[in-house]
Amino acid sequence: QKEVEQNSGPLSVPEGAIASLNCTYSDRGSQSFFWYRQYSGKSPELIMSIYSNGDKEDGRFTAQLNKASQYVSLLIRDSQPSDSATYLCAVKGYKLSFGAGTTVTVRA
Amino acid sequence: DAGITQSPRHKVTETGTPVTLRCHQTENHRYMYWYRQDPGHGLRLIHYSYGVKDTDKGEVSDGYSVSRSKTEDFLLTLESATSSQTSVYFCAISENKGRAAYNSPLHFGNGTRLTVT
Repeated sequence: QKEVEQNSGPLSVPEGAIASLNCTYSDRGSQSFFWYRQYSGKSPELIMSIYSNGDKEDGRFTAQLNKASQYVSLLIRDSQPSDSATYLCAVKGYKLSFGAGTTVTVRA
Repeated sequence: DAGITQSPRHKVTETGTPVTLRCHQTENHRYMYWYRQDPGHGLRLIHYSYGVKDTDKGEVSDGYSVSRSKTEDFLLTLESATSSQTSVYFCAISENKGRAAYNSPLHFGNGTRLTVT
C-alpha cells in the first residue's frame, strides 16, 4: 500500500465548475497535510496547509481533512483555465510523503 | 519566493561521470532537502540536512552523497552517474526555521533537469 494515494486522473472539468481532488494516507499518526500545485515544467508551489479536522478555505480553494477516515481533499471552485496543473497531496507523519499527483484540465 | 536558487538548471552528462548539483538559499533556513521527481513515482526524498555538517539519508539515497559546509549551500553529488539517475531534481527548504520546521510545509527551488546518456 502506498503511503499517500491520489485520484489517478486526469480530471477534466468545464470552466466555472468545481474540481474535486481526493487523497488518502496510511500513517494514522499524520499531523500535517499540504496541497501543492505544479504547472508543467515548473516546481511544486504550496497552495494549502491543513492541520486539524474540518474545512479550510482560501479564496477559491477549500481543503477538507478527516483524520478518522485518513482522507484529505481539495476543492477548486469556479475552476479557471489557469487552474490546469498537476496537484500533489503531501502528508507529514513520521516523514513527509507525496502522492503521485492528479492532473487537472479546465476546459474553456 | 523562498530565496532558493538551484544550479545548473539543465545538465547533460555521460554515464560514469561525477555530477554536482548546487542549492543556494538566502534566508538562513536550517532544514534543506533534495528530492527527485520521476513520472509515476512522484517526489522522492534523496537526502536532507538539519544544519551545517548535519545530513541524513532519504528513501532513495543510493548513488548520491551530500554536503553542507555552510548554512546557505546544500550540494548533491552523483559520484558516478547512471542512466537511472536521469530525473528532475528539486531542492527544498522548510517554511519555518525553529522547532516548528518539523511540521512545516516545504518550498521548492526551480529544479535541475539532469540527463545521463
